[in-house]
Amino acid sequence: AQKITQTQPGMFVQEKEAVTLDCTYDTSDQSYGLFWYKQPSSGEMIFLIYQGSYDEQNATEGRYSLNFQKARKSANLVISASQLGDSAMYFCAMREGTGKSTFGDGTTLTVKP
Amino acid sequence: GAGVSQSPRYKVAKRGQDVALRCDPISGHVSLFWYQQALGQGPEFLTYFQNEAQLDKSGLPSDRFFAERPEGSVSTLKIQRTQQEDSAVYLCASSLGGGLREQFFGPGTRLTVL
Repeated sequence: AQKITQTQPGMFVQEKEAVTLDCTYDTSDQSYGLFWYKQPSSGEMIFLIYQGSYDEQNATEGRYSLNFQKARKSANLVISASQLGDSAMYFCAMREGTGKSTFGDGTTLTVKP
Repeated sequence: GAGVSQSPRYKVAKRGQDVALRCDPISGHVSLFWYQQALGQGPEFLTYFQNEAQLDKSGLPSDRFFAERPEGSVSTLKIQRTQQEDSAVYLCASSLGGGLREQFFGPGTRLTVL
């Protein structure tokens, strides 16, 4: 069975600094996708970044980058130059070829001014 | 609209009532997913449609939960004889195709069962 582990229930970062949110996964599939979502207090789930299991380069989207280490089964999210609006819950998710996604329990990020 | 929409946004039901939650996916999106999110936790997969076909319903917690997508567009999640443990946010997501494409989520329906 697929499993996503996010070991940091809460993280704090100073505005303008970088922060890494950890994610490890477990799967027996060879083909899968890894996703990060942001969920502000308003509740909507916002897609941030995607990494395919066969992608050789780490994914980047603006201030977000995904540190993909396949052998270690980790897919950490790096947010550079944190902003106050980055304060939210962040979820790591894995999607298998059938389309079904498994989510972690999330990390609450608080950006301090 | 451009995004996934869900209605109602909030629903309060008395224990034992039936409820129906609606999801309008992004136009042209083939795949549609339902998730249940309890407070403070990540979303849990319920069921998945590709067009009108329900390909995976392994996450539905009991036979009181039923989902349909009869014309391959709008979907309805129905919960019969609601119980307090059904209280959660129900999220709908759609994606352009199957496989590993990203999913786009709606705002969710917060269900409270009294």
